[in-house]
Amino acid sequence: AQSVSQHNHHVILSEAASLELGCNYSYGGTVNLFWYVQYPGQHLQLLLKYFSGDPLVKGIKGFEAEFIKSKFSFNLRKPSVQWSDTAEYFCAVNKNTGTASKLTFGTGTRLQVTL
Amino acid sequence: GAVVSQHPSRVICKSGTSVKIECRSLDFQATTMFWYRQFPKQSLMLMATSNEGSKATYEQGVEKDKFLINHASLTLSTLTVTSAHPEDSSFYICSANGGASPTAQFFGPGTRLTVL
Repeated sequence: AQSVSQHNHHVILSEAASLELGCNYSYGGTVNLFWYVQYPGQHLQLLLKYFSGDPLVKGIKGFEAEFIKSKFSFNLRKPSVQWSDTAEYFCAVNKNTGTASKLTFGTGTRLQVTL
Repeated sequence: GAVVSQHPSRVICKSGTSVKIECRSLDFQATTMFWYRQFPKQSLMLMATSNEGSKATYEQGVEKDKFLINHASLTLSTLTVTSAHPEDSSFYICSANGGASPTAQFFGPGTRLTVL
């Protein structure tokens, strides 16, 4: 069975600081990788996804993630965070089957950006 | 595009009653819908996978007779929590696959269920 680990549970940063959130997964086959964000009181929104190709994926709002297959990692990065980035961030993975398959989520990382 | 809605957004019910939650894909046809449960400050846990016109596939530990799922059309799936108890209080979220990106899931806003 696949699993996802997010080692940072709560991260506090000042505005303009750089961000990197760790995500590691365990699954022996080909996977799709996702980062979702959940702003306070709102529903999950897709930040970015990796299916194949260039391992450096750029998403919305200045976020990017790099898939490193040898490390089973898909870390999320942003060069300069803003107060509005305060949210819960979830890494997720599913099997790359070409059709819908269930997502396995990490436990989430709460990001708090201070002014 | 790829908007998923849920109704109701919030429901409070008495113990022993049943509650139905609807999940709709508004601008695309969803071949598959998923139902998740999220406890406070925790991650989403998949409850079941729902395919249009067929029985749902439940995850281990999820009671299929308690959480009834009906995927009646390509744009609607319903989750009925039968004989609800306080421990069923949670945030229920659906997602749908389909549209231009069949392997990506789009999430609904969730339904907060409180059982008194």
